[in-house]
Amino acid sequence: TQLLEQSPQFLSIQEGENLTVYCNSSSVFSSLQWYRQEPGEGPVLLVTVVTGGEVKKLKRLTFQFGDARKDSSLHITAAQPGDTGLYLCAGTYLTQGGSEKLVFGKGMKLTVNP
Amino acid sequence: EAGVTQSPTHLIKTRGQQVTLRCSPISGHTSVYWYQQALGLGLQFLLWYDEGEERNRGNFPPRFSGRQFPNYSSELNVNALELEDSALYLCASVPTGYSNQPQHFGDGTRLSIL
Repeated sequence: TQLLEQSPQFLSIQEGENLTVYCNSSSVFSSLQWYRQEPGEGPVLLVTVVTGGEVKKLKRLTFQFGDARKDSSLHITAAQPGDTGLYLCAGTYLTQGGSEKLVFGKGMKLTVNP
Repeated sequence: EAGVTQSPTHLIKTRGQQVTLRCSPISGHTSVYWYQQALGLGLQFLLWYDEGEERNRGNFPPRFSGRQFPNYSSELNVNALELEDSALYLCASVPTGYSNQPQHFGDGTRLSIL
């Protein structure tokens, strides 16, 4: 069972379009991170959200953490070819044993065509 | 500041062989995570080392093992290689052992099993 579900899994759009990526779970997370991974490279952290309802902006990227801290979204405005990559969400949750664990979603592969 | 470095960048092996992958964390980081990124499966957590000790391991068979050295660098060993072990193996470091901290990734080792 995948703890974090990302949708869509693939998206191919034209330059200038807007898009939203979703990261959903039935579990509550103490924090959630978004990463972008370009071909041939490791993931790079974009943002960390901690508080339910929190909204963070990074230039044309807007990240939101759900009020219940079970979901998150990433909205990209006026996408550019440089936004092409794999977008991964990762959540930290508390296990039954009381330890914290980090789990990644499968990612959303974005292609922005010029 | 030098980032996380992994070696080798690419490796080709045959079934049944053994492989050792290496990771050097960012200077000052004591915690190292290993992930397997196979096509379509996202990042699967393999192992977590902190201060020289194995803190947690993912749902992988015992032929996946590793260690962390006193200088906090780490090795991942895979014995009796199987075709499905073909993947990108990523190492990430964090300053301390708390899993809610941003992960700094290397560019990975691409392992191909023939």
